[in-house]
Amino acid sequence: AQSVAQPEDQVNVAEGNPLTVKCTYSVSGNPYLFWYVQYPNRGLQFLLKYITGDNLVKGSYGFEAEFNKSQTSFHLKKPSALVSDSALYFCAVRGGFQKLVFGTGTRLLVSP
Amino acid sequence: ETGVTQTPRHLVMGMTNKKSLKCEQHLGHNAMYWYKQSAKKPLELMFVYNFKEQTENNSVPSRFSPECPNSSHLFLHLHTLQPEDSALYLCASSQGLAGPYEQYFGPGTRLTVT
Repeated sequence: AQSVAQPEDQVNVAEGNPLTVKCTYSVSGNPYLFWYVQYPNRGLQFLLKYITGDNLVKGSYGFEAEFNKSQTSFHLKKPSALVSDSALYFCAVRGGFQKLVFGTGTRLLVSP
Repeated sequence: ETGVTQTPRHLVMGMTNKKSLKCEQHLGHNAMYWYKQSAKKPLELMFVYNFKEQTENNSVPSRFSPECPNSSHLFLHLHTLQPEDSALYLCASSQGLAGPYEQYFGPGTRLTVT
C-alpha cells in the first residue's frame, strides 16, 4: 500500500532564512511525487512534481524539492522564505497506476 | 483559479435541505474528483470520475450523490446531511487517472450544516 508521511505539523522559520518541509513516502515501484500549497479558504495549488531524471525539481514561487530514492524522501525547500509563503503544504505520492495519496499537511509559518 | 471553478463558495444548509455543489473545469481534462477536507483530518477522496464514468466511491454515505454529465462538469447533490458533514468540499481535475498527472483544484465550497 502507498503512504506518505509529513512528520512535522508545523514549521517555523524567519523571513530570509532557508526553509525545508519534510516528506517521506512508501510506494511499490517508481514513485510520482507532488507538492501542493493551500492558502486559507482556498483549494490546493500545484507547486511541483517529480517524475524521473534529475533529483532536484524546480517549481513555482522559487520552491524546489529534492528526490532521494535511498531515503524515500521528497523534501520541499526554498533558499529564502517570504512571509507570504506562510500556508499549508501537502506532499502526495502515486505509484504507477495507483491512486494519488496525500500527506496530512505541514503548516509553514514565516515570521517577519 | 480560472482552471477549476466551484459554486457556491459558501453554503449553509439545514439538515433537511437539499442542495447541490457545482464544479466546472476549463482545462480539457478527462478525470474529475470530489474531496472532503475537515479540520485536523487528512484530505478524504470521495468520488472519482474518468470520461464521465464513476470509477471510485470511497464508502461515502448515500446522502452524498455525485453526478458527472460530461468531462467538464461535476456535481455533488446533498440531502439530509449531518452536522459532521460540515467541511470544505474540493473539486479537482487531471488529464489522466494514473501516472505523472497532477491534479488541479478548485477553490472549494465551505459547507456548514446546521
